[in-house]
Amino acid sequence: AQSVTQPDIHITVSEGASLELRCNYSYGATPYLFWYVQSPGQGLQLLLKYFSGDTLVQGIKGFEAEFKRSQSSFNLRKPSVHWSDAAEYFCAVGTPPGAGSYQLTFGKGTKLSVIP
Amino acid sequence: NAGVTQTPKFRILKIGQSMTLQCTQDMNHNYMYWYRQDPGMGLKLIYYSVGAGITDKGEVPNGYNVSRSTTEDFPLRLELAAPSQTSVYFCASSSTGVGMNTEAFFGQGTRLTVV
Repeated sequence: AQSVTQPDIHITVSEGASLELRCNYSYGATPYLFWYVQSPGQGLQLLLKYFSGDTLVQGIKGFEAEFKRSQSSFNLRKPSVHWSDAAEYFCAVGTPPGAGSYQLTFGKGTKLSVIP
Repeated sequence: NAGVTQTPKFRILKIGQSMTLQCTQDMNHNYMYWYRQDPGMGLKLIYYSVGAGITDKGEVPNGYNVSRSTTEDFPLRLELAAPSQTSVYFCASSSTGVGMNTEAFFGQGTRLTVV
């Protein structure tokens, strides 16, 4: 079964600083990978996804993520953090067609705090 | 553009009571899901549906039931509420399987406390 590890429970950065949130996955084949963001009191919103092709994917709100098969990682990055980026971020791995399931497996999340 | 709508937003139940969490979507999505979110644990899939009349268990289905009589609605039923069901519940929908190359759209959640 697939699994997702987000090693950092809580990260604090200063506004304007760069950000990298780590995500490692375990899956036997090429995974479908996602990053979702959850603002306080809200549901989850998709930031970006990786399906195939270019390993550097661009998302909304200036975020990007890089898929590295050799490291089983899909880290999320942003060059300059804004105060409005304070939220909880979830990495998830999906099950490709034919695997008999239609679900996302989520990591435990990384809470991002931004210092003005 | 409502998307996925959940009601109620908050609810307090006593142990042993039952209730239904409502979820409706207006995007004509075939796939719908119920997740629960516990602090520090991420989201766990309770039940999902791939179309009207078709439902299946997820990772943590015990204590819950679902039905899917229409494309739009996917209610989650709690029978005999227990403190372990205190959680935030999210409904989601997607045009194809959520684990595939697609986006899941989430409701704003229902915060349930069982006392």
